[in-house]
Amino acid sequence: NAGVTQTPKFQVLKTGQSMTLQCAQDMNHNSMYWYRQDPGMGLRLIYYSASEGTTDKGEVPNGYNVSRLNKREFSLRLESAAPSQTSVYFCASSARQGSQETQYFGPGTRLLVL
Amino acid sequence: GENVEQHPSTLSVQEGDSAVIKCTYSDSASNYFPWYKQELGKGPQLIIDIRSNVGEKKDQRIAVTLNKTAKHFSLHITETQPEDSAVYFCAASTPSNTGKLIFGQGTTLQVKP
Repeated sequence: NAGVTQTPKFQVLKTGQSMTLQCAQDMNHNSMYWYRQDPGMGLRLIYYSASEGTTDKGEVPNGYNVSRLNKREFSLRLESAAPSQTSVYFCASSARQGSQETQYFGPGTRLLVL
Repeated sequence: GENVEQHPSTLSVQEGDSAVIKCTYSDSASNYFPWYKQELGKGPQLIIDIRSNVGEKKDQRIAVTLNKTAKHFSLHITETQPEDSAVYFCAASTPSNTGKLIFGQGTTLQVKP
């Protein structure tokens, strides 16, 4: 089991460019999440998908879009990158069945927008 | 909405001493409280969690306590070791049945040898 994988590991963009961050999990989890991590602000939820076919906004969704491609994959898209989106992005997944709320995180994507 | 406050933001202890990190939450309906450890350059990893029907849980050198009345929970690490140095996050579940967690701001723990 690879758990949660993310690509790319690191990316540099110019303001206005677009890109898609990829996330996949092999644990047959129902729910998937995208967070951003900034110094002193913890992990803030961007979007989540409670189950295949559904997506919902989190705390900081502006400037992002997501796609739950299938049960395994959940992608995050920046249509027009801005310097304020420079951050570390983490994908996570959870079974969310009964009391199984534990979230498992990927290794992160470090994004620099110039 | 739910809010989680975590203190302190940084903590430095000598090897062998204990470390305590505290969190408070705002939504009394929260019922699941995990703690994550994040090492440099890696994603957060669950180290211990507690549910609202339990007051304390221990796993070797780490323990978590929960006070539902006061809406706060704490992480206790005893006999700290240099490899305990990391960023620690607390989190609280939201009552929406979506599996969403609200995270605290993080505590950077440094254990000096």
